[in-house]
Amino acid sequence: KQEVTQIPAALSVPEGENLVLNCSFTDSAIYNLQWFRQDPGKGLTSLLLIQSSQREQTSGRLNASLDKSSGRSTLYIAASQPGDSATYLCAVRGHGNKLVFGAGTILRVKS
Amino acid sequence: DADVTQTPRNRITKTGKRIMLECSQTKGHDRMYWYRQDPGLGLRLIYYSFDVKDINKGEISDGYSVSRQAQAKFSLSLESAIPNQTALYFCATSDEPTGEETQYFGPGTRLLVL
Repeated sequence: KQEVTQIPAALSVPEGENLVLNCSFTDSAIYNLQWFRQDPGKGLTSLLLIQSSQREQTSGRLNASLDKSSGRSTLYIAASQPGDSATYLCAVRGHGNKLVFGAGTILRVKS
Repeated sequence: DADVTQTPRNRITKTGKRIMLECSQTKGHDRMYWYRQDPGLGLRLIYYSFDVKDINKGEISDGYSVSRQAQAKFSLSLESAIPNQTALYFCATSDEPTGEETQYFGPGTRLLVL
C-alpha cells in the first residue's frame, strides 16, 4: 500500500526566504506526482505535476523535483511571500490510477 | 462562477441522522471523486465514478454511499451519521483516463456530527 509522508508538518519563515518542502513515498511505481496548495475555504489547487519520466517542473517561483527511484520529491519556493502562506499537499498517482495524498505541510510566511 | 461547487458548505448534524452532501461541476468531466480530510491524515478517497453508470469504492467507503445522478452531479450520503465522520469533505473532477491527470477540487464541506 502506497504511503506518502511530508516533512515538516509545519514551517514558519520570514518573508523573502527560500524554502524546501519534502515529500516521500513508499512505492516507486508511480505515474506522476503532484503538488497542491490548499487555502481555507477554497479547496485544493494544483501547482505542479511531474510525470514519472521527468526530473523536475517549474512554475514561476516554484520548482518541484522528483527522484522516483528513491521515492522523494521536493518543492522549492524562492523568495517567499506572505501570500504563499497555505497548506501544501503532495500526492502520487500509482496503481489503480488513484491519488494518494500526504498529510501536508502548513506554511506561514511572516511579513 | 466556480467550476466545482459543493453544498452545503457547513453542516452540523446529530448521531444517527441521514445527510447528503452534493457536488456539481460545469467542467464537463466524466470522472468525479469524493474525499475526506482529517487533521494529520491528508485526503482519503471515499468513492469515485468514471461515468454515470460507474461507481467504485475507495479506501474508506464503509458508512457512506454515493449517487451519480448525471454527468455533472455526484452526491455523497451518510445513512446514519456517527461522530467519527466529522471531517472536511471534498469533491473533485478529472477528465483524462490515463497518464497526466489533474483533479479539480470543490471548496469543501465541513461536517460536524454531534
